[in-house]
Amino acid sequence: DAGVTQSPTHLIKTRGQQVTLRCSPKSGHDTVSWYQQALGQGPQFIFQYYEEEERQRGNFPDRFSGHQFPNYSSELNVNALLLGDSALYLCASSSRLRGTEDYEQYFGPGTRLTVT
Amino acid sequence: AQTVTQSQPEMSVQEAETVTLSCTYDTSESDYYLFWYKQPPSRQMILVIRQEAYKQQNATENRFSVNFQKAAKSFSLKISDSQLGDAAMYFCAYRATIIQGAQKLVFGQGTRLTINP
Repeated sequence: DAGVTQSPTHLIKTRGQQVTLRCSPKSGHDTVSWYQQALGQGPQFIFQYYEEEERQRGNFPDRFSGHQFPNYSSELNVNALLLGDSALYLCASSSRLRGTEDYEQYFGPGTRLTVT
Repeated sequence: AQTVTQSQPEMSVQEAETVTLSCTYDTSESDYYLFWYKQPPSRQMILVIRQEAYKQQNATENRFSVNFQKAAKSFSLKISDSQLGDAAMYFCAYRATIIQGAQKLVFGQGTRLTINP
């Protein structure tokens, strides 16, 4: 099991451009969450996808959008990039533990986005 | 809204000694989960230890243990017999229930831990 994978590892974009980041969840997981981690800060919740729908989102503008596919993989899209969007973007996949209210969650290695 | 505060931006400890990282949180919920994550330079967020709020007993995982004080909303991490591989950023996190079945993590600002040989 490869665990949670993300692509690309890093990329550089110019202000105003658009970017798509990808996440493949751990085998057996059906939920994907995205986090933005600015340099020297803790991760901030962007949104979560379950059953191909956005279940909830954090305090991020509409420039941030996502999608979940039938195989549970997910994409994060950011339009009209700003310098402040430079950050590490983390994907976390999770699944409810059978018979409990608890969840198993694992993080991917992240995508480092630099906006110039 | 739930918040998590880590008041120690940086900590250092001698190899083989014990260090305690502090974390406080604010919530109005009675049932929740608390976590400590380790993030080495490789960037991978690794779960160190977790605590369920309704459990009185403090969680322990080998050299890692927590001191959970629910009334004080405090959740500190103690690392015993520190090793060079423990050097990393440590994040305290709270798991908030958004809607039934949905979960999100609220993270603190992190504490950078340095191990001195």
